[in-house]
Amino acid sequence: SYELTQRLSVSVALGQTATITCGGTNIGTKHVHWYQQKPGQTPVVVIYRDFNRPSGIPERLSGSNSGNTATLTISRVQAGDEADYYCQVWDINTVVFGGGTKLTVL
Amino acid sequence: EVQLVESGGGLVQPGGSLRLSCAASGFTFSSYRMNWVRQAPGKGLEWVSSITSSSSTTYYADSVKGRFTISRDNAKNSLSLQMNSLRAEDTAVYYCTRDYGSGDHSDYWGQGTLVTVSS
Repeated sequence: SYELTQRLSVSVALGQTATITCGGTNIGTKHVHWYQQKPGQTPVVVIYRDFNRPSGIPERLSGSNSGNTATLTISRVQAGDEADYYCQVWDINTVVFGGGTKLTVL
Repeated sequence: EVQLVESGGGLVQPGGSLRLSCAASGFTFSSYRMNWVRQAPGKGLEWVSSITSSSSTTYYADSVKGRFTISRDNAKNSLSLQMNSLRAEDTAVYYCTRDYGSGDHSDYWGQGTLVTVSS
């Protein structure tokens, strides 16, 4: 079965850029979606189909996908960006989530 | 406004059964693929099952195949998950989600319902 690999945690200083990666075999051939989940809240999609932002999601969040790695980039990180981030793809009629990355803002 | 409201969670003994429901409103329910996604306490997201808009095809994670059954009633705007032979590892918050497009991302999530499997 297809697997997505994410680092358990990423720390970034306030105002800097956070990079959260999602690894998978030939993931660049799939559409990758990213969800943000703050403590006690429901997941919210922040990037869909590799680089698209839903309405209401700030331009500071961007996505890319190529080769074996998809990337979620958060520029000018704010305290409110502290959350768990999950990548997701569809693979042969199954939904696959990455294990999630906890973003800590220092 | 799109709303997804889950119900039916609770405490059940190992080996027992539970039926979850999801009431949908604010959109044309019969046009969308729907999913169940769960999250064990302190853990990540795990996809459980999906059903196409017309119920023609269902999909299951290996961890629940043969034990769980997803269904929908488009006339009642309702999604269900029948869970049998429950195990401790099924303990989780279960979310009902809507697919943006067939085989796409989940653009709307319910608030979730907690299932606890314990003796």
